[in-house]
Amino acid sequence: NAGVTQTPKFRVLKTGQSMTLLCAQDMNHEYMYWYRQDPGMGLRLIHYSVGEGTTAKGEVPDGYNVSRLKKQNFLLGLESAAPSQTSVYFCASSYPGTNNEQFFGPGTRLTVL
Amino acid sequence: GESVGLHLPTLSVQEGDNSIINCAYSNSASDYFIWYKQESGKGPQFIIDIRSNMDKRQGQRVTVLLNKTVKHLSLQIAATQPGDSAVYFCAENPRSGGYQKVTFGTGTKLQVIP
Repeated sequence: NAGVTQTPKFRVLKTGQSMTLLCAQDMNHEYMYWYRQDPGMGLRLIHYSVGEGTTAKGEVPDGYNVSRLKKQNFLLGLESAAPSQTSVYFCASSYPGTNNEQFFGPGTRLTVL
Repeated sequence: GESVGLHLPTLSVQEGDNSIINCAYSNSASDYFIWYKQESGKGPQFIIDIRSNMDKRQGQRVTVLLNKTVKHLSLQIAATQPGDSAVYFCAENPRSGGYQKVTFGTGTKLQVIP
């Protein structure tokens, strides 16, 4: 049981380049989330999904797109990277219901030059 | 807007002592309050949560206290160990069940002195 995995672990992009971050979970969770973590800002929600085929905007969605074609995968895309998107990105998943526990992946450190 | 914050950015504690990490919140409508631990280079890990209708909840070596009168949340760690060194986040969930729109605080770094 691998839990939540993220690929890649590190990436350096030039301004304007695009990339996709992949998140996979093997816990059969309905809900999945993408967060970014910046110094002094805590975790901020970018997009989330409450089930296969559905996505919704979080707190800071601009510049990002997501897709949830399969229940176990949640993709985060940057179409035209900007230096302001330099951050550590975390994916998380959870069960629906009153359980508050979200399971986080190890993170992807992205630098945009 | 509503926010979740912390009193102390860094807390240094002697190994074996008890640690207390504090958090102030502003959304009185939140239903759950949650503590996460994040070790260096890793993702956050759930520690414990407490519902708004409770004042205290205990886990293994940890206790969370909720004071709704002053909108204050604390995490107490008994007999702090080197493995407890991490950043601790408080968070709030405004609704029970369904999508967990959790708002995270900025974190407190706990340093355990051997």
